[in-house]
Amino acid sequence: GAVVSQHPSRVICKSGTSVKIECRSLDFQATTMFWYRQFPKKSLMLMATSNEGSKATYEQGVEKDKFLINHASLTLSTLTVTSAHPEDSSFYICSARPPDRFNEKLFFGSGTQLSVL
Amino acid sequence: KNQVEQSPQSLIILEGKNCTLQCNYTVSPFSNLRWYKQDTGRGPVSLTIMTFSENTKSNGRYTATLDADTKQSSLHITASQLSDSASYICVVSAKAGNMLTFGGGTRLMVKP
Repeated sequence: GAVVSQHPSRVICKSGTSVKIECRSLDFQATTMFWYRQFPKKSLMLMATSNEGSKATYEQGVEKDKFLINHASLTLSTLTVTSAHPEDSSFYICSARPPDRFNEKLFFGSGTQLSVL
Repeated sequence: KNQVEQSPQSLIILEGKNCTLQCNYTVSPFSNLRWYKQDTGRGPVSLTIMTFSENTKSNGRYTATLDADTKQSSLHITASQLSDSASYICVVSAKAGNMLTFGGGTRLMVKP
């Protein structure tokens, strides 16, 4: 079946540094990928929709200069947390949907636990 | 406003017992409803996807039901196993723009 790979699974960084998270669709081309943030014991919150070849669409309240999204190819989207601070510590998850519009399946990556010291 | 409410928020059951998780939604116009299982520190994994015309769908020991009239869904887990301990998330998709609305999840713990 379709697989979405997310890397790294865990990252610890110092405050002020930038962190890049990769999301790859391994056996299908994803024109659209989604990025979520999840706090402990809470459900997923959509941050932005990543569109291949165009600018990402950010949800209300999400700083686009803080969370840079690049969807340069049909199989790769990246989320860069710029100048990370402790409050950015969270679990970040991506998802992708195969392009067949009759296929409603949505596949999630395994998530990235970001800890900012 | 589209909303998805799940209950209970958390649940503890003994291994081998059955349990039922609930999902109520107000998403409109309705497209489909999905149940996901999320292990701690992992991404969600799809269990079932149900469209308007489907009332019941099974995936092994998981059985989902959908009542589109009352806008309710349930996920029934039969003969629970320790590995069923996870969060179960109900996600409803609206036809307009294919927007997804996530429920808050039910955290299930199966004890030996």
